[in-house]
Amino acid sequence: EAQVTQNPRYLITVTGKKLTVTCSQNMNHEYMSWYRQDPGLGLRQIYYSMNVEVTDKGDVPEGYKVSRKEKRNFPLILESPSPNQTSLYFCASTLTWTFGAHEQFFGPGTRLTVL
Amino acid sequence: TQLLEQSPQFLSIQEGENLTVYCNSSSVFSSLQWYRQEPGEGPVLLVTVVTGGEVKKLKRLTFQFGDARKDSSLHITAAQPGDTGLYLCAGADGNNRLAFGKGNQVVVIP
Repeated sequence: EAQVTQNPRYLITVTGKKLTVTCSQNMNHEYMSWYRQDPGLGLRQIYYSMNVEVTDKGDVPEGYKVSRKEKRNFPLILESPSPNQTSLYFCASTLTWTFGAHEQFFGPGTRLTVL
Repeated sequence: TQLLEQSPQFLSIQEGENLTVYCNSSSVFSSLQWYRQEPGEGPVLLVTVVTGGEVKKLKRLTFQFGDARKDSSLHITAAQPGDTGLYLCAGADGNNRLAFGKGNQVVVIP
């Protein structure tokens, strides 16, 4: 089944404790992206990757890191989480950005709480 | 990132009624998508429109892309409780990114 998977689905952690949220897609998509969704603010892009080893900042990159060593995986790293990073996070993938219609396939989400 | 304004923010209607929600921007988009999101889940793509003036139908849902490719509307005919959800529009800008509106929360009451 074609899908985007994220792990963990739920995470409660404390300020300053490094964490990684994994994202994997099995559709051979080139473009991958991370979003956070907050009440009243909607979906905001954190980072995106056009392809392997190519990443770039979205609208709200502060406090986050990403890497794209393989086509299928795009982990989101919080080196020192803070309470303002409490949010619902979504990973998404797109077949290709350059020539496509930019449809995004979303993962099921990771609800992160930072105490 | 271009701003996409969705209106109304919240809409509650009775089953069987029709509704229209809007997505507007001052910027031109190469493509625009509509997604539906249910609580606790990721958004799911409904449709993509790429040509100004384009109209697409998906069962009881009709999507229209403005002639100038700056705005779009979603019309639901004879709404059903299963149509309840958050409808998100998203536009592809010229910077390899997708900008999302804040959504139209639709509630269809049985």
